[in-house]
Amino acid sequence: GNSVTQMEGPVTLSEEAFLTINCTYTATGYPSLFWYVQYPGEGLQLLLKATKADDKGSNKGFEATYRKETTSFHLEKGSVQVSDSAVYFCALTSNNAGNMLTFGGGTRLMVKP
Amino acid sequence: GAVVSQHPSWVICKSGTSVKIECRSLDFQATTMFWYRQFPKQSLMLMATSNEGSKATYEQGVEKDKFLINHASLTLSTLTVTSAHPEDSSFYICSAGPGLDTQYFGPGTRLLVL
Repeated sequence: GNSVTQMEGPVTLSEEAFLTINCTYTATGYPSLFWYVQYPGEGLQLLLKATKADDKGSNKGFEATYRKETTSFHLEKGSVQVSDSAVYFCALTSNNAGNMLTFGGGTRLMVKP
Repeated sequence: GAVVSQHPSWVICKSGTSVKIECRSLDFQATTMFWYRQFPKQSLMLMATSNEGSKATYEQGVEKDKFLINHASLTLSTLTVTSAHPEDSSFYICSAGPGLDTQYFGPGTRLLVL
């Protein structure tokens, strides 16, 4: 079956630091990969996605590249802000699982001023 | 952009009562909607897949008689927590999408059972 593994948090950074949150996956078929963000007290929001190998998803300064050879989709941002403090979820869906998403465990990011 | 709404956003109920949560797709039709549950500081757990016009598909370990799902139209799915107990207190989130790769999440419903 499909699975997603993320680095455990919390990740604590100072403002303007570089962020990497690791995500690796196992999947049958041809997965699409996603990063979702959940701000405190809110529901999930799609942050970015990539639907095929070597695609790079980007949004709000965040980037992630679909690496089929390493089955990874690491999230990066060059300079984090306090407002980026949230929980980040890596997820995938594959063509043999319909629209169903498989989530990683989530990584809490705390950015200090 | 596409929007999925949930109602209510917050509900507090007494143990033994039933609670209905609505999930609506506001500007697209969704033959399939998904219901997730999120425990505090944990990831999302898929509970069931809601299929318009047919029975929902439940994940292993989810009691279908306790969590009733009705997908009555292409824009509405409801989750009813029957005879709720304190251990059912959680954050319930639905998602829907107009296509295979695009899922939009509702804002979630926080349920507290006293």
